[in-house]
Amino acid sequence: GIQVEQSPPDLILQEGANSTLRCNFSDSVNNLQWFHQNPWGQLINLFYIPSGTKQNGRLSATTVATERYSLLYISSSQTTDSGVYFCAVERPGSSNTGKLIFGQGTTLQVKP
Amino acid sequence: SAVISQKPSRDICQRGTSLTIQCQVDSQVTMMFWYRQQPGQSLTLIATANQGSEATYESGFVIDKFPISRPNLTFSTLTVSNMSPEDSSIYLCSVAVADTQYFGPGTRLTVL
Repeated sequence: GIQVEQSPPDLILQEGANSTLRCNFSDSVNNLQWFHQNPWGQLINLFYIPSGTKQNGRLSATTVATERYSLLYISSSQTTDSGVYFCAVERPGSSNTGKLIFGQGTTLQVKP
Repeated sequence: SAVISQKPSRDICQRGTSLTIQCQVDSQVTMMFWYRQQPGQSLTLIATANQGSEATYESGFVIDKFPISRPNLTFSTLTVSNMSPEDSSIYLCSVAVADTQYFGPGTRLTVL
């Protein structure tokens, strides 16, 4: 099956710093999403980004589908950005059915 | 968008018992998804619940252990049967709306 690898596994930042999180996937996909799981466990969808670049405030994401990777940029990090960031893809051949395969996540801690 | 609620939010159960988790969505959706997040791990899809038909289970999950009901387009239940400590996890309900995946707050289950 498709493999989803995220790096780094853990990241500690000082408030105000920038960071880049990476997601590599082993096969072509029609659906790639980034999520943030806050310390209370709630999963929030950040981006649906099977290709191209999107920005939402301090966050932006880029997916290069031909090279099978996606990047999540966090600028001017805040303590509320702490939590786990997951990349998730759908099985090749599926068409946005909602059956996602998750990477292992990047745990981010932003210190004040 | 979609707003999802789950009951209970957490529970502590004895080995050998069963727990039924409820999931309510604020809009009608064709498919509802149940995921499991074991402690410190990523999310894994358990099954897809379609209204009016039997749920479809992912590899490693069986109906006898995780029976699912889907009585209408806004509601589903997942039962964790004959529980063991290995079933201690967060169970999350999810729906897909317009290419975006939404998750409920999760049910945190501890089995003693």
